[in-house]
Amino acid sequence: EVQLVESGGGLVQPGMSLRLSCAASGFAFDDYAMHWVRQAPGKGLEWVSGISWNSANIAYGDSVKGRFSISRDNGKNSLYLQMNSLRSEDTALYFCAKGVFGEAVFDDWGQGTLVAVSS
Amino acid sequence: QFVLIQPPSASGTPGQRVTISCSGSSSNIGRNTVNWYQQLPGAAPILLIFRHDQRPSGVPDRFSGSKSGTSASLTISGLQSEDEADYYCAAWDDRLYGPVFGGGTKLTVL
Repeated sequence: EVQLVESGGGLVQPGMSLRLSCAASGFAFDDYAMHWVRQAPGKGLEWVSGISWNSANIAYGDSVKGRFSISRDNGKNSLYLQMNSLRSEDTALYFCAKGVFGEAVFDDWGQGTLVAVSS
Repeated sequence: QFVLIQPPSASGTPGQRVTISCSGSSSNIGRNTVNWYQQLPGAAPILLIFRHDQRPSGVPDRFSGSKSGTSASLTISGLQSEDEADYYCAAWDDRLYGPVFGGGTKLTVL
């Protein structure tokens, strides 16, 4: 059974940093692209960032480009999202999702970790 | 705002057929596959339809998808109360170099 467990969320002040992690199990992690997708309270889904299986391809949504950095450690079956210069508009539930790079296919999702940016 | 355009709401009675539209452009739906996600209240999204019209195992055949030009549709036949959820379309966008979502359609079963 595929499991994706996010962690690292919390309450931070604007301008500060946070690092999210996603622990994967139940599938061959190094065979799949991984993504971060977020959902602001009461709002729709927004893709944040994606990384191919071998980290050769990385992409970011325009709203986080230059502030967020995605990475993965295939040896630890883990995905990360380093979030710098956080803004109030980054407040959201952040989902880790397994999928395809180059297609909007996210075939498994975690339950999300909540990031709240507020002074 | 959202690159893909969906109606904010839809509704139907049990047993009816409901269709949700998703409108895009040549850089996303026009060139790439369309995927649909269902999000039940308080839950994470799940993949409902991928590559226009394919269903993952476990998804009932009441759910179907189609694409024509720069638009796509999700059809739910034989509507059931448990289908009440938010539905999102998504496609890769070549110009933005990333996936884009529709704003979501809240389906109410009357």
